[in-house]
Amino acid sequence: KNEVEQSPQNLTAQEGEFITINCSYSVGISALHWLQQHPGGGIVSLFMLSSGKKKHGRLIATINIQEKHSSLHITASHPRDSAVYICAVRFNTDKLIFGTGTRLQVFP
Amino acid sequence: KAGVTQTPRYLIKTRGQQVTLSCSPISGHRSVSWYQQTPGQGLQFLFEYFSETQRNKGNFPGRFSGRQFSNSRSEMNVSTLELGDSALYLCASSPVPFYEQYFGPGTRLTVT
Repeated sequence: KNEVEQSPQNLTAQEGEFITINCSYSVGISALHWLQQHPGGGIVSLFMLSSGKKKHGRLIATINIQEKHSSLHITASHPRDSAVYICAVRFNTDKLIFGTGTRLQVFP
Repeated sequence: KAGVTQTPRYLIKTRGQQVTLSCSPISGHRSVSWYQQTPGQGLQFLFEYFSETQRNKGNFPGRFSGRQFSNSRSEMNVSTLELGDSALYLCASSPVPFYEQYFGPGTRLTVT
């Protein structure tokens, strides 16, 4: 069965903290996406991964295919990072399933 | 390059009516996907089109349909609207399937 679990559901941090958001999935995948959604609804695609690790600025995304797990890290968090982060998994069945999202609030 | 555009941005309809939403992808992008987002169910995949063909469909009733035109613009239609269809409808485009997607601002549909 194609399932995606994301944690934590909510996350509060102080500015400068290191943030980790996790995403686990049930079976084989062709790609995993990390998305960012700001209040008002706009969604930005942060990363698309099928293996290894990607970095963009203060954001790092990793995926472990054997463990069926991906993490999104934010280094030196900033209030402007406050948003909902969503993982989306495209399974080998070609089905696309979304995690429930992690609401991040970073306080100055 | 202009981003993904969706029209209209806001829409209010009555139960039983039908609605058509439009999505214009980034120039050169041939793949368009549609998503529904509600507070209760989160983001859910509706359809994916590539070169005018539906290549993937989510688990939604037949009241939800879509199409893609030769210029890659896409429309989705919901017939016999229900209160539960109130949602933010997002479309996203990519050059081809399986590539990074670029999202539009969404159409917020309210069914009363």
